This record gives sequence, structure tokens and C-alpha cells, in this order.
Amino acid sequence: QKEVEQDPGPLSVPEGAIVSLNCTYSNSAFQYFMWYRQYSRKGPELLMYTYSSGNKEDGRFTAQVDKSSKYISLFIRDSQPSDSATYLCASSLAFSNFGNEKLTFGTGTRLTIIP
Amino acid sequence: GAVVSQHPSRVICKSGTSVKIECRSLDFQATTMFWYRQFPKQSLMLMATSNEGSKATYEQGVEKDKFLINHASLTLSTLTVTSAHPEDSSFYICSAEQGSSNYGYTFGSGTRLTVV
Repeated sequence: QKEVEQDPGPLSVPEGAIVSLNCTYSNSAFQYFMWYRQYSRKGPELLMYTYSSGNKEDGRFTAQVDKSSKYISLFIRDSQPSDSATYLCASSLAFSNFGNEKLTFGTGTRLTIIP
Repeated sequence: GAVVSQHPSRVICKSGTSVKIECRSLDFQATTMFWYRQFPKQSLMLMATSNEGSKATYEQGVEKDKFLINHASLTLSTLTVTSAHPEDSSFYICSAEQGSSNYGYTFGSGTRLTVV
């Protein structure tokens, strides 16, 4: 079993719809949870990160973590064609001031917003 | 914000040759950098952790003699694919973390390696 599971999609939704992307994880020691967006042939870029359980909102994006069920979600409101990309969830055990904490990634979900 | 530059973005090489990929942190110092490999439609697989001034730490199943990592300075890590084979063709990405309150690793733009 992979430590972080993510439905690879593809997922297609019409412009303006609310998108829900989800991951599950198995390692209960994970503390930090991140969502990355990756455009084709580019490196991933960080969208949001959360610590432990709870919600975090940034513009049209909301990240949600439920540690009791080991469930990670990303919601995109008023989706735009420019949101079309692959979205990767990631988790880590701890935060490191020295930047040496490993990330464990999900497979990524390919999202297409249809104009 | 933190910027990680990766070069080259694309390289084609012949079987048996070696290829070097550079990863630079442009506006911060990184004692640790990470090297990933990504196959089409698959996730990032961590290959190794690059540590400035010491040996890299390789993940299980990654051949350290084939994928040579050198972290010569606080802003530069290199990955050399030695004696490349077609099965080494992949997308290689590096990342680094600034180690500040802005948690989140910054990734390079990736290198598409094709071995012919």
C-alpha cells in the first residue's frame, strides 16, 4: 500500500464549477500536508500547506485535512481553464528549519476545466 | 520568493554516455536538496537527498553508482546519470527548501532526459 493514495483521474469539469480533489494517507505520523500544481513539462509549484487537521483558505482554494480519517482535500471554487493541470498532494512527518524533511507524494490528479 | 533553477530543461544523449543536470538555488542557500524522478502520468519518486559537503542519501532501489550526486556548494547540486540507457529516460526534478517560516519546497522546472 502506498503511503499517500490519490485518484489519478483524469477529471474534467465545466468552467465555474467547484472542484474537489482528494487524497488518503496511511502514515498516522504525517503532520504537514501540501498541495502542489504541476503544469505539463514543468516542476510542481506549491499551492497550499496545512499543519495537522483543519481548513486553510487562499483565494479560490481551500485545503482541508481530517487526521481522524486520514483524508486530505483541495477545493477549487469558480474553476478557470487556467486551473487545468495535475494536482499532487504531499505529506511529511515534520517541519524542518534545515529543509531536510522528505515529502511523500500522491500520484497526482489530472484536472481539465472545460471553457 | 525562493527560486530553484534547473538546467538543462531538455537533453537527448546516446546510450552509454553520461549526462549532468544542475540544480541551483538562486536567492537562498540550501544545505539539502532533493532529486526526484517522474514517469509519464505518475507521481514524483524521491531518488536521493543531496547534502552539502557530505554524501548523498539514496532511496532504496536507486543505484548510487549510476546516479551520481554532488552537492558542492550551498547553492548547487548536480545529478550525473552515468552510462545512460533508454530506460533512464524520464523527467528529473530537483527541489530545495529555504528553511524559513514559509514552509514548502520549491521545485526546479525539471529536465526531460531522452536516451537514444
